[in-house]
Amino acid sequence: AQSVTQPDIHITVSEGASLELRCNYSYGATPYLFWYVQSPGQGLQLLLKYFSGDTLVQGIKGFEAEFKRSQSSFNLRKPSVHWSDAAEYFCAVGGSGNTGKLIFGQGTTLQVKP
Amino acid sequence: GAVVSQHPSWVICKSGTSVKIECRSLDFQATTMFWYRQFPKQSLMLMATSNEGSKATYEQGVEKDKFLINHASLTLSTLTVTSAHPEDSSFYICSAEYGQANYGYTFGSGTRLTVV
Repeated sequence: AQSVTQPDIHITVSEGASLELRCNYSYGATPYLFWYVQSPGQGLQLLLKYFSGDTLVQGIKGFEAEFKRSQSSFNLRKPSVHWSDAAEYFCAVGGSGNTGKLIFGQGTTLQVKP
Repeated sequence: GAVVSQHPSWVICKSGTSVKIECRSLDFQATTMFWYRQFPKQSLMLMATSNEGSKATYEQGVEKDKFLINHASLTLSTLTVTSAHPEDSSFYICSAEYGQANYGYTFGSGTRLTVV
């Protein structure tokens, strides 16, 4: 079955510290992978996506993610977190034969300490 | 580019009434739109896929007669929650596919529905 797991429900980091949010997926075919960010009461904003090619993907706001097929992972990273990064982060998976449906992980809440 | 506008952003209605939520693609044509539901502190669950000019495809467990979806044009999809009850209270988000398949999904800002 297709699924996405974000093992960390809640993460707290200090401002300026590095960040890594974990995402593991289960998908039968070549996955298309996404990371979205959601501020309270808002919709989702795409941070980055991976379809093929270079397994290290650069996104907006200084985020990057690395696709590791052997580990079925697509972890999101940022070298230095800003207070404005506090939000909910969702990893999602879809595929070319999936007619566009995305399967979302449970989300990780990021709290940033001053 | 690829902006989706969703209205209203919040709505409060009485039990038994119906509520319509609109999702518009502002600067592109959206053949396919998606409707998600999100409970507090939880992830997004796909409710249905809306295709322009045809019937929506509902996910298992989603009541078709309660959540009516209409996608009459390439820029507008609507979700109508009929005979709403308090358990329908939730955050509803639409998304639209732009570019070639899977090249991007842009999301609306969501609608907070509260049924009293």
